[in-house]
Order: sequence, then structure tokens, then C-alpha cells
Amino acid sequence: KNQVEQSPQSLIILEGKNCTLQCNYTVSPFSNLRWYKQDTGRGPVSLTIMTFSENTKSNGRYTATLDADTKQSSLHITASQLSDSASYICVVSTRDYIPTFGRGTSLIVHP
Amino acid sequence: GAGVSQTPSNKVTEKGKYVELRCDPISGHTALYWYRQSLGQGPEFLIYFQGTGAADDSGLPNDRFFAVRPEGSVSTLKIQRTERGDSAVYLCASSPGGGITEAFFGQGTRLTVV
Repeated sequence: KNQVEQSPQSLIILEGKNCTLQCNYTVSPFSNLRWYKQDTGRGPVSLTIMTFSENTKSNGRYTATLDADTKQSSLHITASQLSDSASYICVVSTRDYIPTFGRGTSLIVHP
Repeated sequence: GAGVSQTPSNKVTEKGKYVELRCDPISGHTALYWYRQSLGQGPEFLIYFQGTGAADDSGLPNDRFFAVRPEGSVSTLKIQRTERGDSAVYLCASSPGGGITEAFFGQGTRLTVV
């Protein structure tokens, strides 16, 4: 069964600090991995998309990594801001483009 | 339109009633997805349309749920004989194609079955 596991479930950090969120998956056959940011009451917004051949991709203060061998990805947030408080969802899609969503990591940034 | 539009934004219905949830994708997007998100959970895949046809409906939980997209644009998710366990936020997303392209989400419809 295709699964996506995210850790930690929730995280609280101080404004200005860095943090790293983890995603492990067992989706097969793998096509791509995406990280989404979901603010409370809003739909998810895409941060990064990575295919099998990509190891890292950045979007401003967000940097995602992918290790297709170990089936792990991470999302690193640099110099966190209050507006980074949200749920971060890892989504892995098969070659049929059917996505499997993780449960998300809830990030709270305190001033 | 500028983005994916879902209506209504909130729907409260009585158990056993029929509901329809509407999704207007971004103009020109051929791929359309429906998801269901319960509180504190990630979105759960329901169905994927490529054009007018359902390319994959394996996520629909049972035969009370079905969705249509008759003209390859607007889609309607229909739930018959609603149950309290159907209460969730129903999200719709669209993308230019079924490949590795960014999917854009609507704000969702919050369905509450009482």
C-alpha cells in the first residue's frame, strides 16, 4: 500500500530560527514528490515539485531535498517568519499521477 | 477565472440528505482532482478527471459518492444519503495536464452533516 509518513507531527520554533521537516514514502512507481503549505482554512499551495532525478530544489527560504534510494525527503525552512505558521504536506505521486498525501506537519512560529 | 473556485464555501445538511459540491477549475486546465480532508489530517484522494472522463475513481469511499465533469470544465461532487462521517472539507484542485505540473487548489467546501 502506498504510504507517506511525515515527522514531526507538530513543531514550535522561535521566529528567525531554522527547521527541517521529514517525509518518508513507500509510493511506487514513483513519479514526483511535492511539498505544499496549507494555511488554516485555505487550500494547499505548492512549494516545490521534484522528480526522480532531482536531489534538491529551492523556493525562497524553502529548500526541499529528495533521496530516491532511501525514499526520503526533507523540507528545510531558513530564518522562519511568523507567516510560516501552517501545515506542511508532503505528497508523492505515482506514474499514473495519482497522489498520496501525508498527514502534514503543523508548524507554529512564535515571536 | 483567476483561481479554482469552489461553492458553496460551507454546507450544513441533515443526515440522509443529498448534497452537491461544485468546482470551477482554472480555465484550460484539463486535470481536476477531488480530495476530502478531515480535521488534523492530510487530504485524502477521491477522484481524478482528465478532461471529461474519470481517469481514476479509486478513492471514492463507497457508492454514495460520485462525481461528474460533463464538459471537461466544471465538476460536481455528489453525495447521496449523507452520513455524519461525511463531514469534512472537500478540496478541489486543477492542473494544466495530468503530468508533473503544479496543481492549484480551491479553498474547499466545509460540509457538516448533522
